[in-house]
Amino acid sequence: EDQVTQSPEALRLQEGESSSLNCSYTVSGLRGLFWYRQDPGKGPEFLFTLYSAGEEKEKERLKATLTKKESFLHITAPKPEDSATYLCAVQGRYSTLTFGKGTMLLVSP
Amino acid sequence: GAGVSQTPSNKVTEKGKYVELRCDPISGHTALYWYRQSLGQGPEFLIYFQGTGAADDSGLPNDRFFAVRPEGSVSTLKIQRTERGDSAVYLCASSLMGLRTGGDIQYFGAGTRLSVL
Repeated sequence: EDQVTQSPEALRLQEGESSSLNCSYTVSGLRGLFWYRQDPGKGPEFLFTLYSAGEEKEKERLKATLTKKESFLHITAPKPEDSATYLCAVQGRYSTLTFGKGTMLLVSP
Repeated sequence: GAGVSQTPSNKVTEKGKYVELRCDPISGHTALYWYRQSLGQGPEFLIYFQGTGAADDSGLPNDRFFAVRPEGSVSTLKIQRTERGDSAVYLCASSLMGLRTGGDIQYFGAGTRLSVL
């Protein structure tokens, strides 16, 4: 059974204070690891897909990295508009997405 | 619009009633997924359609839940004899190719918030 654990559950940062979110996973035959952003009252919004250990992807202040056991979402110099819940999900062999519970990020001005 | 559309956005019903939730996927997407999200949790898989057929319904919690996609586009999630524990946000997603292709991106709608009183 595929499993995803995200930490911390919640994170409060000051504007400009860089940090990282963690996603630990176990999966049978990783076919993709996904990061989504979810704002209150909205559906998850796609950010990144990573396929193999060592891969990295960047978008504005966000950078996602992947190892064989975990993924990190690095947030550099965050702004208040980066406040959201960040969800990690894995797709295993012939399976659909298994999501973690998410990390709720609050960035204060 | 170009995104996944779900209606209604909110649904309040009484215990024991029947409800239908609708999902209109992105045009051209062959795969459609239903998830359920409870407060403080990540989305939980319910059912996956490839075209008109349910390719994987292993996430449906019991036989009160049923979903259809008769023409390979719009899908309806049907819940019979609703219970208070069914209260959650029901999310629909669609993707271009489906689970045959690794890493196929799922795009989500805003969800339907179901409240069972």
